[in-house]
Amino acid sequence: GAVVSQHPSWVICKSGTSVKIECRSLDFQATTMFWYRQFPKQSLMLMATSNEGSKATYEQGVEKDKFLINHASLTLSTLTVTSAHPEDSSFYICSAPGHETPNTIYFGEGSWLTVV
Amino acid sequence: SQQGEEDPQALSIQEGENATMNCSYKTSINNLQWYRQNSGRGLVHLILIRSNEREKHSGRLRVTLDTSKKSSSLLITASRAADTASYFCATAKETSGSRLTFGEGTQLTVNP
Repeated sequence: GAVVSQHPSWVICKSGTSVKIECRSLDFQATTMFWYRQFPKQSLMLMATSNEGSKATYEQGVEKDKFLINHASLTLSTLTVTSAHPEDSSFYICSAPGHETPNTIYFGEGSWLTVV
Repeated sequence: SQQGEEDPQALSIQEGENATMNCSYKTSINNLQWYRQNSGRGLVHLILIRSNEREKHSGRLRVTLDTSKKSSSLLITASRAADTASYFCATAKETSGSRLTFGEGTQLTVNP
């Protein structure tokens, strides 16, 4: 079946640096992907919708200059956390809709970010 | 964003018992989906129920949807220790159903 892969699975970075997380659809094309953030023991919060070939759509309260999203191809979306701070430490997870009817949504395995 | 609510927040049962989790949401929806998440891992899609459906079954899972009350329930029958996980409902407003709003989740622990 369709697979969405995220990389890296976990990353530790220093405060003030930037870190990039990749989300790939491995055997299907995704013109749209979604990025969520999940703090420990909490639910998933949609951050933004990544659109291939155009700007991402950010949810209210999400800083687009801090969370840069690029969707340069039909199989890859990237999330870059710029000038990371400890409060950005979280579980970031992406999803992409498949093409089955009804639409099936495939989630990546998530990426743990720890900012020290 | 409009987060839904789930209850209970945590549920602990013995193997073989049934587990029922409830979800409420705030806006009109196209469909509602239930997901499972093992600790620190990605999400696994369990079942999708459309707004014009009232009940759906998949193996040991039974989902109901009451759009008049804006609520849904997930029943897991004959639970197993391997069912231990967090369970989330998620609603989609659009026909595409890809942009999801998640509930707060229920942490289910099935004791052997």
